Amino acid sequence: DAKTTQPPSMDCAEGRAANLPCNHSTISGNEYVYWYRQIHSQGPQYIIHGLKNNETNEMASLIITEDRKSSTLILPHATLRDTAVYYCIVRVANSNTGKLIFGQGTTLQVKP
Amino acid sequence: GAVVSQHPSRVICKSGTSVKIECRSLDFQATTMFWYRQFPKQSLMLMATSNEGSKATYEQGVEKDKFLINHASLTLSTLTVTSAHPEDSSFYICSARTSGGYNTQYFGPGTRLTVL
Repeated sequence: DAKTTQPPSMDCAEGRAANLPCNHSTISGNEYVYWYRQIHSQGPQYIIHGLKNNETNEMASLIITEDRKSSTLILPHATLRDTAVYYCIVRVANSNTGKLIFGQGTTLQVKP
Repeated sequence: GAVVSQHPSRVICKSGTSVKIECRSLDFQATTMFWYRQFPKQSLMLMATSNEGSKATYEQGVEKDKFLINHASLTLSTLTVTSAHPEDSSFYICSARTSGGYNTQYFGPGTRLTVL
């Protein structure tokens, strides 16, 4: 699976949009981009995933560049409860093989 | 959404004893489950992949005789830490993957193991 690069930390003001970038320049054509987050002392929580089209759900939006070499997770109105470590992972979906390998992620601190 | 549970949420044991952690997928069947370990201020490290009805596949450097994994049904996988030592103290997290569709992985809440 391709490797991802994320900034180690980011701050965001409460109520503002949080935009978390991820680089995955070696992504393959059949690899999806997954986003998870981990709030302190809890298991990771699935947020969203996508292949090439932008995706939106009740938690976030995922914007993938046309060349698929990078993506941005957007939390439209960050709250204090969104403070967590956010992980961007690429992996082949629709497959019974493949596993999620976690990097260091981005620690997002939402401030009042 | 898909729910994965773990039991116990935390356990304290004496050095040399064995500890069993259960992982259940509550509302879906999981052919494949995963076990991760996380030390303080570090990321999750994959320990092993568990497939229902077959032997687990361990990542490099993980002792299969120390971390026994059983995946006897489509909703239950167990991790047994045998002869636990203080260096095994960690946060153990399981994950279950849905079958079909996007094969999304969902995670349990984790088990905090402290070995005295």
